[in-house]
Amino acid sequence: DGGITQSPKYLFRKEGQNVTLSCEQNLNHDAMYWYRQDPGQGLRLIYYSQIVNDFQKGDIAEGYSVSREKKESFPLTVTSAQKNPTAFYLCASSIFRAENPYGYTFGSGTRLTVV
Amino acid sequence: SQKIEQNSEALNIQEGKTATLTCNYTNYSPAYLQWYRQDPGRGPVFLLLIRENEKEKRKERLKVTFDTTLKQSLFHITASQPADSATYLCALPPGPSGYSTLTFGKGTMLLVSP
Repeated sequence: DGGITQSPKYLFRKEGQNVTLSCEQNLNHDAMYWYRQDPGQGLRLIYYSQIVNDFQKGDIAEGYSVSREKKESFPLTVTSAQKNPTAFYLCASSIFRAENPYGYTFGSGTRLTVV
Repeated sequence: SQKIEQNSEALNIQEGKTATLTCNYTNYSPAYLQWYRQDPGRGPVFLLLIRENEKEKRKERLKVTFDTTLKQSLFHITASQPADSATYLCALPPGPSGYSTLTFGKGTMLLVSP
């Protein structure tokens, strides 16, 4: 079955550490996205990519980095510069066609906690 | 940027009734609007997309309306069931002609009691 897989499901980070969240999709989708969700808040866009080897900052990119070396993969690194990283992280993918919107397929999320 | 307003209070209804959820936006009218369902601890699931030139869209027990004059979308679930209990999110493109990303509302929790 096609889908989008995030790992790990739970992640604990010590102060000052960088951690990388994995996101893999086998839907042959062009675009991939990272969102962050905090209690009582909507999803906030961190980074997105519409094509391999290219990505764009979202609304809250500071303290995060991404890469898109393969169409299937869009890992997110939470760096030590991110001051409040504890949150639920969601990866999504979609078909991307100019002037034609498509729904997003989301992964099941990674819950990151700073200890 | 676009501001999206969804009722933060949970909507409680009896099984079999129609649930109606509201999504209001404050700035430009978007080219389309999407609705998602999210269960606790899970990622959102895409339900429906409605374009600005469509007044209404249906899918099984779901119906979405889009009123660009009122800057509002309504999401209806008819013959609601306890399994429909979840948080429902509306999402819009961040700009009037943007198709690249989505901005999400905070969502409204729906609770359907037997």
